[in-house]
Amino acid sequence: GAGVSQSPSNKVTEKGKDVELRCDPISGHTALYWYRQRLGQGLEFLIYFQGNSAPDKSGLPSDRFSAERTGESVSTLTIQRTQQEDSAVYLCASSLAAGAYEQYFGPGTRLTVT
Amino acid sequence: AQRVTQPEKLLSVFKGAPVELKCNYSYSGSPELFWYVQYSRQRLQLLLRHISRESIKGFTADLNKGETSFHLKKPFAQEEDSAMYYCALNSGGSNYKLTFGKGTLLTVNP
Repeated sequence: GAGVSQSPSNKVTEKGKDVELRCDPISGHTALYWYRQRLGQGLEFLIYFQGNSAPDKSGLPSDRFSAERTGESVSTLTIQRTQQEDSAVYLCASSLAAGAYEQYFGPGTRLTVT
Repeated sequence: AQRVTQPEKLLSVFKGAPVELKCNYSYSGSPELFWYVQYSRQRLQLLLRHISRESIKGFTADLNKGETSFHLKKPFAQEEDSAMYYCALNSGGSNYKLTFGKGTLLTVNP
């Protein structure tokens, strides 16, 4: 079956604009995760969903970041008033359930804020 | 707080040589450790996890709680092993997130 997909694959935006990043998890996976990878850095956890709820949002860098998930499927990560430090690859992953299950990663969205 | 350290950003070996990618972690409980790999132009994928105690593509990793390490080893490196390798930690139970190291870029030369 299809793996995790993300769109767009690349996004260039001007500082101050809002962006929406989309993630389609593997069908049947109830857990969904968002990570950020800045250049030369490891993956930084942002938020996870179990079903449609996000029990822990503490990884979100600021209140400009928000995420939602609907229908236990698609998730969108929204960044408002983008800043240059938001430039990174944003990765989405899904797993059968939250916990120590294998996480399957999408190809990522490369965000560049000019 | 949990932390994963991969001390080597770059590692270069010749084909057929042994390879060891180092990973140390900081966590007071009983963690679950993983190695993820990203080949060129491919997505990040799970290589192995310590609880399964498997050998995948000739790679093994042993969790050493005394040294808080989870080094990845392979006795004879192959060119196709060239990739970015990330060590990751899950604090176990119903914990939901992985804490990743910064990664080691392995290059296997012919």
